[in-house]
Amino acid sequence: GESVGLHLPTLSVQEGDNSIINCAYSNSASDYFIWYKQESGKGPQFIIDIRSNMDKRQGQRVTVLLNKTVKHLSLQIAATQPGDSAVYFCADGASGSARQLTFGSGTQLTVLP
Amino acid sequence: NAGVTQTPKFRILKIGQSMTLQCTQDMNHNYMYWYRQDPGMGLKLIYYSVGAGITDKGEVPNGYNVSRSTTEDFPLRLELAAPSQTSVYFCASSYSMLRRNQSTDTQYFGPGTRLTVL
Repeated sequence: GESVGLHLPTLSVQEGDNSIINCAYSNSASDYFIWYKQESGKGPQFIIDIRSNMDKRQGQRVTVLLNKTVKHLSLQIAATQPGDSAVYFCADGASGSARQLTFGSGTQLTVLP
Repeated sequence: NAGVTQTPKFRILKIGQSMTLQCTQDMNHNYMYWYRQDPGMGLKLIYYSVGAGITDKGEVPNGYNVSRSTTEDFPLRLELAAPSQTSVYFCASSYSMLRRNQSTDTQYFGPGTRLTVL
């Protein structure tokens, strides 16, 4: 079946540096992509999303880039802070699928002091 | 708004017991979802509902049942608990409507129910 995968299971960055978390998807019908942050013992928290008619979307300290040609998206976090330490999931969905999302397995981001 | 609430937070069941995981949302969302998350893994969809009275299977529905009698509530039922159902269960909801250049499909998650079957 279709799946969403992440390139790296863990990522460590120095506080203040920028973080980049990558994600590959395989469903060519996907038109909606979303990033979630999950802290230990909590439910996933929405960070940012993007539709397939865009290739970049910015939020507060976060940017999502979408490359439909190679089915790849990334999450960039500027000036990473200790509070950014968490597991980050990408997910994709397709129109007409009752907005079901397919989740990747997650990347553990650790911010070093 | 409280958002999505789930009860209980934790539960230990014996093999063969049954239980219902409760989920309520106060955002008037039409879509609701149940996921399970095994350790170190992503979320897998169990069941979903596009509105009151309508439910459908997700990726891993075996061993579970759902109902959606109201917009707000979407309980998940385990009839005969098995060790393989040990997991963390998340309920989510979204308001799905097409708007130009805006996403209204964001799924909002509850805090989860940690279930152990011994």
